Amino acid sequence: EVQLVESGGGVVQPGGSLRLSCAASGFTFDDYAMHWVRQAPGKGLEWVSLISGDGGSTYYADSVKGRFTISRDNSKNSLYLQMNSLRTEDTALYYCAKAPKGATGGNYFDYWGQGTLVTVSS
Amino acid sequence: EIVLTQSPATLSLSPGERATLSCRASQSVSSYLAWYQQKPGQAPRLLIYDASNRATGIPARFSGSGSGTDFTLTISSLEPEDFAVYYCQQRSNWPPGWTFGQGTKVEIK
Repeated sequence: EVQLVESGGGVVQPGGSLRLSCAASGFTFDDYAMHWVRQAPGKGLEWVSLISGDGGSTYYADSVKGRFTISRDNSKNSLYLQMNSLRTEDTALYYCAKAPKGATGGNYFDYWGQGTLVTVSS
Repeated sequence: EIVLTQSPATLSLSPGERATLSCRASQSVSSYLAWYQQKPGQAPRLLIYDASNRATGIPARFSGSGSGTDFTLTISSLEPEDFAVYYCQQRSNWPPGWTFGQGTKVEIK
């Protein structure tokens, strides 16, 4: 059974940093690209970032480019999101999501974690 | 950037009724469209991928159709557990990006 468990969320001041983690199990982690997707309170879904299975390729939404860094440790079956220069508009529930095999990052997200809440507030 | 527009914003129906949800893309996405269901306090769940393929474990009452710019998610007969928010989603090849519609809430009438 595929399981994705996020952690690391919390309250941080504007301009601060936070590192999110996602522990994966139930599949061969390094065979699959992984994503971060976020959802602001009461709002819709927004894709944030993608990393390829070997970690060699990464992509970001324009809204986070230059501030967020996605990474993974395949020896630990773990995905990360380093968030710097946080803004109030980054407040959201952050989900890690697995991509299916296929085109870079896949065409959809087949499994999701339960999310970790990031609140950026002074 | 491809924009996905879902309609209606809210659909008020009774259990047993048929639900028809629409998703329109600002330009062709071929058949690379997915649908998700999200219940309050829960993560999204993949229902349909590549426009018409049901994901693992999804009941047959859920079906997807369409290609190009116009897509439909149909729930043939609403069960109490189907009242939720539904999102469509597409991917762009270059630069790689994934976008969602704004969602349709299916509520109990």
